[in-house]
Amino acid sequence: DIQMTQSPSSLSTSVGDTVTITCQASRDISNFLSWYQERPGKAPKLLIYDVSKMETGVPSRFSGSGSGTSFTLTIHSLQPEDVATYHCQQYESLPYSFGQGTKLEIK
Amino acid sequence: QLQLQESGPGLVKVSETLSLTCTVSGVSISSSAYYWGWIRQPPGKGLEWIGSLYYSGGTYYNPSLKSRVTISVDSSTNQFSLTLRSVTAADTAVYYCARLSGKLGDSYRDAFHFWGQGTRVTASS
Repeated sequence: DIQMTQSPSSLSTSVGDTVTITCQASRDISNFLSWYQERPGKAPKLLIYDVSKMETGVPSRFSGSGSGTSFTLTIHSLQPEDVATYHCQQYESLPYSFGQGTKLEIK
Repeated sequence: QLQLQESGPGLVKVSETLSLTCTVSGVSISSSAYYWGWIRQPPGKGLEWIGSLYYSGGTYYNPSLKSRVTISVDSSTNQFSLTLRSVTAADTAVYYCARLSGKLGDSYRDAFHFWGQGTRVTASS
């Protein structure tokens, strides 16, 4: 099974800042990597799939990059509504696996 | 517009069986090449894939739960279901049903583009 490790587990930052969240896979997953946003009390929402493809309606301040085993979610110009937990997921092979999540808070 | 809605008991006794249903609206569950799935999130923990079902009936389970899980489809009601046997406190979680995009045919290599709102289940003695 593929293990996904996210870092940091939590971070507190300010409106307008740029935030970077990383996700490491235990083996090469090519470009089969997605990012989800889970706002408090809400279901996860797909932000990015295939490493860098934006889901319809996602603000352009979100971007994804990486390949192989190392991936990054970047949020530019952080907004108050970006307070959420962010999850990465690999779908290169079954069982699908997720990172443990990164909780983003605003100072 | 696709909508998914989970339903089922919010409380289940330890050692008993949990049954959840996902009602799908906006598309026929059995007439298009989609993968449907169940994912859960225990309190304070990350997301865990439970298993998926392909529209033609093929099922795929997380090995960590495979011995206790069954996912099935009811085309007549446009629903698919999760059955989890011999529940323990560790099965306490929010359970989500979800679907891949459907743009990749029979490939499972896709993200979960659509999610239900989730249903909270507590396993208690």
